[in-house]
Amino acid sequence: DTGVSQDPRHKITKRGQNVTFRCDPISEHNRLYWYRQTLGQGPEFLTYFQNEAQLEKSRLLSDRFSAERPKGSFSTLEIQRTEQGDSAMYLCASSGRDRGGYGYTFGSGTRLTVV
Amino acid sequence: AQSVTQLGSHVSVSEGALVLLRCNYSSSVPPYLFWYVQYPNQGLQLLLKYTSAATLVKGINGFEAEFKKSETSFHLTKPSAHMSDAAEYFCAVSEGGTSYGKLTFGQGTILTVHP
Repeated sequence: DTGVSQDPRHKITKRGQNVTFRCDPISEHNRLYWYRQTLGQGPEFLTYFQNEAQLEKSRLLSDRFSAERPKGSFSTLEIQRTEQGDSAMYLCASSGRDRGGYGYTFGSGTRLTVV
Repeated sequence: AQSVTQLGSHVSVSEGALVLLRCNYSSSVPPYLFWYVQYPNQGLQLLLKYTSAATLVKGINGFEAEFKKSETSFHLTKPSAHMSDAAEYFCAVSEGGTSYGKLTFGQGTILTVHP
């Protein structure tokens, strides 16, 4: 397994545009998390899935944000009508039982810049 | 709810000197604790994790951390700093009484290593 993959690595978009990010987790992991990290801060939880079910959403996740995980595999995070305050690193992580026991692995992140 | 406090947003050491990064946590249940390292424009890499098996946890790259319940601390140490250790370090606690739940992160500590 190649770990958690995120695409794209970087995204520059104009304010008001919609963007979508993709995360491919470690295949054995049943949980998938999205976090947001702004400059100089630690990552903050946005939402998580167990298999295909979205079980928790943070109050940080406004109505403009939506996440899906169809069939419990990859996940997408969409931001509609982007605002400058959405500029951040969006991190995906997956967790669950794997060959090493219980793993918790982060992807390299998608850096969003809204201009 | 869990919380994490990292004392010192910036730590500077000389190459070869002891590295000590401080982390205190608050948790209503026995905690699962993590230290992650983040290099610029990268995701988070797991250094080590405490899962109640042993209070002294050894991780990658010569780092270790000691869980002290009485002090609610999980400080990260390395006997001899290397230039390649320069990065940002995050302490995190897992919610839900598992090692694979939602993570709450500290604000991070930037480690600078001088030659």
